[in-house]
Amino acid sequence: QKEVEQNSGPLSVPEGAIASLNCTYSDRGSQSFFWYRQYSGKSPELIMSIYSNGDKEDGRFTAQLNKASQYVSLLIRDSQPSDSATYLCAVIGQGYQKVTFGTGTKLQVIP
Amino acid sequence: DVKVTQSSRYLVKRTGEKVFLECVQDMDHENMFWYRQDPGLGLRLIYFSYDVKMKEKGDIPEGYSVSREKKERFSLILESASTNQTSMYLCASSLSFGGQPQHFGDGTRLSIL
Repeated sequence: QKEVEQNSGPLSVPEGAIASLNCTYSDRGSQSFFWYRQYSGKSPELIMSIYSNGDKEDGRFTAQLNKASQYVSLLIRDSQPSDSATYLCAVIGQGYQKVTFGTGTKLQVIP
Repeated sequence: DVKVTQSSRYLVKRTGEKVFLECVQDMDHENMFWYRQDPGLGLRLIYFSYDVKMKEKGDIPEGYSVSREKKERFSLILESASTNQTSMYLCASSLSFGGQPQHFGDGTRLSIL
């Protein structure tokens, strides 16, 4: 079982719609959760951090964490073509010793 | 803003050469990491360091070594480059406490011919 799982996509959404990206993790003691955006040929860029259950909003982005169900999600409202990228979920496990990345979900926003 | 600088954006080397990839961060971060990223395989951790002169093997350390003589600098060394080490190499750094996120450099696309 992979430690951090994401659907590879591509996830296609029309411009202006809400994009919903999901991530599940296996380590129940995980403490810290991150979303990175990676454009093709570029390095990952941190866009959201979340540490406690519930929602965290930053502009058009909302991260949602449910530790009981072991999933974290990213919602992108009013999706734009510039949001087209691969989104990586990252999780830090117990003791803050290791960060595990998912393989990413490719998002395509169709004009 | 955190700045992680990798010495080369693109690099072409020949099989058998010794290759050095350099990474410098300017935020006094304790932790530094080297990853490689290949299509379909995601990010794979090669080595990491929690302090000066300290190093730990990641998931795929074979064929690589590292050096951390100063806090801000973390070098990745390919002892004898092989074609299967052609990849995107990413350096990252983070603070040591409280599960802080990693910040990445721009990456080095390395081709071994």
